[in-house]
Amino acid sequence: GAVVSQHPSWVICKSGTSVKIECRSLDFQATTMFWYRQFPKQSLMLMATSNEGSKATYEQGVEKDKFLINHASLTLSTLTVTSAHPEDSSFYICSARAQGNQPQHFGDGTRLSIL
Amino acid sequence: AQSVTQLDSHVSVSEGTPVLLRCNYSSSYSPSLFWYVQHPNKGLQLLLKYTSAATLVKGINGFEAEFKKSETSFHLTKPSAHMSDAAEYFCVCNTNAGKSTFGDGTTLTVKP
Repeated sequence: GAVVSQHPSWVICKSGTSVKIECRSLDFQATTMFWYRQFPKQSLMLMATSNEGSKATYEQGVEKDKFLINHASLTLSTLTVTSAHPEDSSFYICSARAQGNQPQHFGDGTRLSIL
Repeated sequence: AQSVTQLDSHVSVSEGTPVLLRCNYSSSYSPSLFWYVQHPNKGLQLLLKYTSAATLVKGINGFEAEFKKSETSFHLTKPSAHMSDAAEYFCVCNTNAGKSTFGDGTTLTVKP
């Protein structure tokens, strides 16, 4: 149980393109979803937290107009990287959690490469 | 303030020998604690969790961890390392409010 599907797993696109990443909880309802960015050999950096039906809470330094997050249902959240540039290239990981004291369950990540 | 410290950034063991990955936490509340494993280019997989039940927690793949409140520790152990255990390991602490704090990770290398 507790499976989270993240799609796509790998994206290569030109600078200026917008990229959408989907995160789905397949067998549970996620009241909260998280989006992380991970640089090589580093821990996860929390970008934003989203609760179903409400606006995402962004961490300091994360541009909300650059990284658009939508959490329209209890099983789906999307991250859209708008007008992506090479510096946005990274590994993005989502996670979903049913309740506050429960563990987060992670997707397999999306490798984003902007040329 | 809540914090998680993974005491070793790198641990190297020989196949078949015990594994010890250390984690200390600081929390004002009774925490929920988790260990995750991450293989290259993958997300994090939950190994085990402590949520105020038994202090010795058994997880998947032969891993276990013991919650020691007096030492504010939650070390991860495995009696016998396997080559497939080589990965990055993260210790995570949740507060009652649901905020998660990640350790910086420990890279486990398993030598044949």
